[in-house]
Amino acid sequence: GIQVEQSPPDLILQEGANSTLRCNFSDSVNNLQWFHQNPWGQLINLFYIPSGTKQNGRLSATTVATERYSLLYISSSQTTDSGVYFCAVEQIKAAGNKLTFGGGTRVLVKP
Amino acid sequence: KAGVTQTPRYLIKTRGQQVTLSCSPISGHRSVSWYQQTPGQGLQFLFEYFSETQRNKGNFPGRFSGRQFSNSRSEMNVSTLELGDSALYLCASSFHRDGTVMGEQFFGPGTRLTVL
Repeated sequence: GIQVEQSPPDLILQEGANSTLRCNFSDSVNNLQWFHQNPWGQLINLFYIPSGTKQNGRLSATTVATERYSLLYISSSQTTDSGVYFCAVEQIKAAGNKLTFGGGTRVLVKP
Repeated sequence: KAGVTQTPRYLIKTRGQQVTLSCSPISGHRSVSWYQQTPGQGLQFLFEYFSETQRNKGNFPGRFSGRQFSNSRSEMNVSTLELGDSALYLCASSFHRDGTVMGEQFFGPGTRLTVL
């Protein structure tokens, strides 16, 4: 099956710093989503971005589908950005669909 | 519009028991998927239901089963619980435009299951 790798696995930032999280995938995909998992476990949707670039406030994401990677940018980080960020991809198949998740990037933003 | 809801939020069971978890999708969403999250294995796909039919199943033993009702609500059942079934179980729903294309998936808050 498709492999999804996220880097770095851990990231410690000072408040106000910028960072880039990367997601590589091993095959072509029809869907790519970025999530932030809060301390209570809920996955919060950040971006639905199978290709192209999107921005939402201090966060932006770019997916280059032909090169099989996606990037999540966090600018002017805040302590509330702490948590685990997941990239998940989906391939449409006749037998049904599923999201395959990367291992996540654990982000800690220090005040 | 209300989000995906899951009940119960927390559950403690003992080995050998069975458990049923419930998921109500976002109104209008007909696809429901279930995922298991553990520290060792990460987030893994369990199964997906669309219009009361299981369309895809992950690599889990037959003790894990599910179903979907006509109102799109879904339940998953785990029989003969093992210690390794302790996990966060997440449900997601999405809107299918044409019955095959998956749109953006939205997750519920999860059910945290502890097996003693």
